[in-house]
Amino acid sequence: GAGVSQSPSNKVTEKGKDVELRCDPISGHTALYWYRQSLGQGLEFLIYFQGNSAPDKSGLPSDRFSAERTGGSVSTLTIQRTQQEDSAVYLCASSLNRGNEKLFFGSGTQLSVL
Amino acid sequence: AQKVTQAQTEISVVEKEDVTLDCVYETRDTTYYLFWYKQPPSGELVFLIRRNSFDEQNEISGRYSWNFQKSTSSFNFTITASQVVDSAVYFCALSEAGSNDYKLSFGAGTTVTVRA
Repeated sequence: GAGVSQSPSNKVTEKGKDVELRCDPISGHTALYWYRQSLGQGLEFLIYFQGNSAPDKSGLPSDRFSAERTGGSVSTLTIQRTQQEDSAVYLCASSLNRGNEKLFFGSGTQLSVL
Repeated sequence: AQKVTQAQTEISVVEKEDVTLDCVYETRDTTYYLFWYKQPPSGELVFLIRRNSFDEQNEISGRYSWNFQKSTSSFNFTITASQVVDSAVYFCALSEAGSNDYKLSFGAGTTVTVRA
């Protein structure tokens, strides 16, 4: 499709397991973002990729979280040794260029850690 | 510190009523951008508007209108003659100028329910 694609849409895991969340941005978009949405709260910035530049990882909540973007396209957010407080919706977005532009969001991955 | 405050958690209206969503922001920058996004039940946030800090003109797009007031640091959003399809969570967001201008600070969102 033409939009931002995220998979899986839902993920249930046990505490302590690792999970991988995938984001396929809109073709040609150089900027890619991950945000986390916890119940009843706004979106929390996690990480930003822009082209071949080093990503801004300042929003990652702990060293259990990491993300990669391969070939300037698909991105994977990995959470190691998941905890119950990691339960949230993880949203990916992309934009044509860097900066404060219109973001195109995916439908998110609902992560539930039991 | 909370940079964007959406004081209304939930609003419920009957179809055809007008509804106004409040957004108050906090920044020391003179250059910044304000946004509204809509999140329908499908979960995908949809961009509605971006306004820069130097443009205080109010904007109207169909049934949607925005009132930007720098004096009160507010960027309120009004839906006129609401429809059931307007039911969603609406987020206000702020982007401050500078090297981190790509970081959006979101409010907690306002859930709007429009009843037929």
